[in-house]
Amino acid sequence: DIVMTQSPDSLAVSLGERATINCKSSQSVLLTSNNKNYVVWYQQKPGQPPKLLIYWASTRESGVPDRFNGSGSGTDFTLTISSLQAEDVAVYYCQQYFNTPYTFGQGTKLEVK
Amino acid sequence: QITLKESGPTLVKPTQTLTLTCTFSGFSLSTSGVAVGWIRQPPGKALEWLALIYWDDDKRYSPSLKSRLTITKDTSKNQVVLTMTNMDPVDTATYFCAHRRGGQSFDYWGRGTLVTVSS
Repeated sequence: DIVMTQSPDSLAVSLGERATINCKSSQSVLLTSNNKNYVVWYQQKPGQPPKLLIYWASTRESGVPDRFNGSGSGTDFTLTISSLQAEDVAVYYCQQYFNTPYTFGQGTKLEVK
Repeated sequence: QITLKESGPTLVKPTQTLTLTCTFSGFSLSTSGVAVGWIRQPPGKALEWLALIYWDDDKRYSPSLKSRLTITKDTSKNQVVLTMTNMDPVDTATYFCAHRRGGQSFDYWGRGTLVTVSS
């Protein structure tokens, strides 16, 4: 199984400041035949299902604010929120879909400082 | 508009079999590339992928739970059913079903259903 490890486990950022969450996979999730990284990022607020933010590691889902950006390739990925808003308080998960079993990171809890 | 909704018992006893139904609309599970998956989340913990069924009836399971899981689909009813045998208190979780966009990951999720395993 591909293990997804996020860091940090929790993060407190001031409103308007940048938040950065990292995700490392235990093996490459880059498919060289199409040059795509099979990683997504989700946002989950209490009592809600996860919401897809980013797919292919860096493609923003329709309707997602452009302050959310995904980057990285191979085994190392980053979700960046350029200017934290109050509504961004949530738990963020990365997930690989390179192969089954699909696996998730342990989550990063983002709070306002 | 894609929607999914999970249904099933909220309480099951240890050793019993859990049967959950995902009823969806806005897409067809006979469309090439489409799949529906099940994911669970114990209270306060991370997400765990359980199973996936593809438009062509191919199925994938979590290796750690494979012996206990069965996923099936009824395309005419727009439903996917997950059964999990020999339930244990550690299986207490919110169970989600989700639509998998062709070649990608889960883009639409149901609201989830909390299943408690207790005698």
